[in-house]
Amino acid sequence: NAGVTQTPKFQVLKTGQSMTLQCAQDMNHEYMSWYRQDPGMGLRLIHYSVGAGITDQGEVPNGYNVSRSTTEDFPLRLLSAAPSQTSVYFCASGRPDYLYEQYFGPGTRLTVT
Amino acid sequence: RKEVEQDPGPFNVPEGATVAFNCTYSNSASQSFFWYRQDCRKEPKLLMSVYSSGNEDGRFTAQLNRASQYISLLIRDSKLSDSATYLCVVNTGNQFYFGTGTSLTVIP
Repeated sequence: NAGVTQTPKFQVLKTGQSMTLQCAQDMNHEYMSWYRQDPGMGLRLIHYSVGAGITDQGEVPNGYNVSRSTTEDFPLRLLSAAPSQTSVYFCASGRPDYLYEQYFGPGTRLTVT
Repeated sequence: RKEVEQDPGPFNVPEGATVAFNCTYSNSASQSFFWYRQDCRKEPKLLMSVYSSGNEDGRFTAQLNRASQYISLLIRDSKLSDSATYLCVVNTGNQFYFGTGTSLTVIP
């Protein structure tokens, strides 16, 4: 099992550019989520999904879109990058029937200039 | 008011010491509770879930007090490899709220 994988590991964008962060899991987990981690803020939930075709907003959804067409994949799209979106992004997956224990991918470090 | 609050530390303790971290949460409807560990520039990794009756995993003991809305983690016989940031996590509905983390350094 690869667990949760994320690509790319690092990315630099210019303000206004768009991009998609990829996330995939091979554990057949229904629940998937995206977080951003900023210094002094802790991880904050951006969007989550409880299954294919179902997504919902977390604490900080503005500027991001998600979709979930398969159980395995949960991409995060930045529509028009802003410097405030400079952060480390983590994807996670888990099973709601197992106390929602989540497993994280290695993260993507994004810089927007 | 923050959903989850943790003392950021840092905690600097000698090897073999016992150290305790506390965390408070604001939503009494919260359902599940966890401790994660995060090493520098790495992803968070699940350390343990916290059960209502308290639970132990080797040198680690987690407690939950629903009446006072706090969670604790006790580490006994600290090892150098325990040096990390410990994150308190609370699940409410389908959402997760993370504390900002408590930094632990175990000194030889």
